[in-house]
Amino acid sequence: DGGITQSPKYLFRKEGQNVTLSCEQNLNHDAMYWYRQDPGQGLRLIYYSQIVNDFQKGDIAEGYSVSREKKESFPLTVTSAQKNPTAFYLCASSTEQGEDGYTFGSGTRLTVV
Amino acid sequence: AQSVTQPDIHITVSEGASLELRCNYSYGATPYLFWYVQSPGQGLQLLLKYFSGDTLVQGIKGFEAEFKRSQSSFNLRKPSVHWSDAAEYFCAAMDSNYQLIWGAGTKLIIKP
Repeated sequence: DGGITQSPKYLFRKEGQNVTLSCEQNLNHDAMYWYRQDPGQGLRLIYYSQIVNDFQKGDIAEGYSVSREKKESFPLTVTSAQKNPTAFYLCASSTEQGEDGYTFGSGTRLTVV
Repeated sequence: AQSVTQPDIHITVSEGASLELRCNYSYGATPYLFWYVQSPGQGLQLLLKYFSGDTLVQGIKGFEAEFKRSQSSFNLRKPSVHWSDAAEYFCAAMDSNYQLIWGAGTKLIIKP
């Protein structure tokens, strides 16, 4: 079955460390997205990519980095520059024009310890 | 700027009662409109979408939504809710760059 897979489901990070969240899709979607979700704040866009080897900053890109070396993969690195990284992170993908909406992964909960 | 508003942060309904979740959008043309549902600790699942044509669209899990151009609304409805419908619901509109603009979400609480 086609879908989008995020791993790990839970991740713990010590302060000052970089961590990378994985997102893989086998839907042949061109576009991929990373969102951050905090209680009571809905979905906030971190980065998105519409084609391989290209990506754009979203509303809250500071302290995060991404790469899009393969169509199927869009990993997100939470750097030590991100002051408040504890959150639920969602990855999504869509066709180029998004006519079917976005397909979401099941999320990664990152906690700073 | 384009925006999507969900006026209700929380809604509580009794099991078996009808449900309506409100969504208003601000956009010059008729946008593509979506409703998603999110269970705690999970990703979002698409319930239904509207592009054009019939203003009443049917979705999964017995949900429907009605597009009203005059009111810039796309409200989600269900005739009879079940305890398993307790979740957070998000309305979204697609902008001219194929990006989704999200509402803040409405948390649905079901009373037994």
